[in-house]
Amino acid sequence: GDSVTQMEGPVTLSEEAFLTINCTYTATGYPSLFWYVQYPGEGLQLLLKATKADDKGSNKGFEATYRKETTSFHLEKGSVQVSDSAVYFCALEGNYGQNFVFGPGTRLSVLP
Amino acid sequence: NAGVTQTPKFQVLKTGQSMTLQCAQDMNHNSMYWYRQDPGMGLRLIYYSASEGTTDKGEVPNGYNVSRLNKREFSLRLESAAPSQTSVYFCASSGFRDRDYEQYFGPGTRLTVT
Repeated sequence: GDSVTQMEGPVTLSEEAFLTINCTYTATGYPSLFWYVQYPGEGLQLLLKATKADDKGSNKGFEATYRKETTSFHLEKGSVQVSDSAVYFCALEGNYGQNFVFGPGTRLSVLP
Repeated sequence: NAGVTQTPKFQVLKTGQSMTLQCAQDMNHNSMYWYRQDPGMGLRLIYYSASEGTTDKGEVPNGYNVSRLNKREFSLRLESAAPSQTSVYFCASSGFRDRDYEQYFGPGTRLTVT
């Protein structure tokens, strides 16, 4: 079946450091790819998405590019802030809204 | 526009007690989901409902039942709670937006079974 793998955390960075969280997937067909963010005590929120190969999703300074050749969707941000501390989930959807598959999540802590 | 709402926010049960977690969405979505989130295990799908009147098992359905009461509401019931069901429960719905389906989550219910 479909699956998503993410780099294990926790990831601890200093403010203004560069962030990369790796995500790779296994899926039949051509899924859409997502990054969700979960702040402490809250539900998941959609951060960005990409619907086809070579699409780049971006939001709040975060970016991720859909790489079909490497089945990857790595999350990047050039300069993280303390307020970016959260858990980040990579996810895919491959069946007209019926099959969302989530990675295990990566906890990011940003220190001032 | 409230999105996805869940009640209660917190609940403590004794082993063997029953309870129902409520979820409602106001986005006119057909599909709704129940997940549980445990430390180090990400999200695991308990049940989902592709449309009003239909429900299907997810990855971890044992010990749970669901009801899709109408298009807006999707409830999760624990008939006889066990300590292994201590978790954070999230309800979600999905709809088509900006060329694709997106999933929207409620704020979660934190359940402790003693």
